[in-house]
Amino acid sequence: TQLLEQSPQFLSIQEGENLTVYCNSSSVFSSLQWYRQEPGEGPVLLVTVVTGGEVKKLKRLTFQFGDARKDSSLHITAAQPGDTGLYLCAGARGRTNFGNEKLTFGTGTRLTIIP
Amino acid sequence: KAGVTQTPRYLIKTRGQQVTLSCSPISGHRSVSWYQQTPGQGLQFLFEYFSETQRNKGNFPGRFSGRQFSNSRSEMNVSTLELGDSALYLCASSPWTGNYGYTFGSGTRLTVV
Repeated sequence: TQLLEQSPQFLSIQEGENLTVYCNSSSVFSSLQWYRQEPGEGPVLLVTVVTGGEVKKLKRLTFQFGDARKDSSLHITAAQPGDTGLYLCAGARGRTNFGNEKLTFGTGTRLTIIP
Repeated sequence: KAGVTQTPRYLIKTRGQQVTLSCSPISGHRSVSWYQQTPGQGLQFLFEYFSETQRNKGNFPGRFSGRQFSNSRSEMNVSTLELGDSALYLCASSPWTGNYGYTFGSGTRLTVV
């Protein structure tokens, strides 16, 4: 059972357009992270959100954590070819005795920006 | 600061063989986690090590094992390889505590034939 569902699964848009990627769950997470992964490489952390309702901006990327900490969204303004990649959300829950939490990854959104 | 280093980058093995993958975390990071990534299942958590002890384990068969050394370097081993074990194996490191973000290595691409 996949705890984190991302939509859309695939997205192909023209350079300059705006887009939103969604990450939804029925479970509550203590924090949620977004990663971008390029072919042949590991995921790279973009942002971590920890407070319900939190909004973080990273240049043209805006991340929001739902009030109930069950969902998140990633909005990209004026998409560029360099934004192309696999976007993964990951929820942290089940804190171990030593503080680190197991991450549950979403199903992923493969984004292609057409020049 | 050097990133997370995984070796080898690519590996081809035959069914029934075993394989050992290596991960060197970022200096000062004491937690190492392993993930399996496949097109069908996405990123699946294998296990996490901290201070040479396994602290968390995913739902994988006992053929998958790992260990962590005193310098925080980690290895994972897969015995009796199956075709379905073909995947990108990713290692991620994080500091001792208070950190919600993981730094991933570039992965080891394992192909079982």
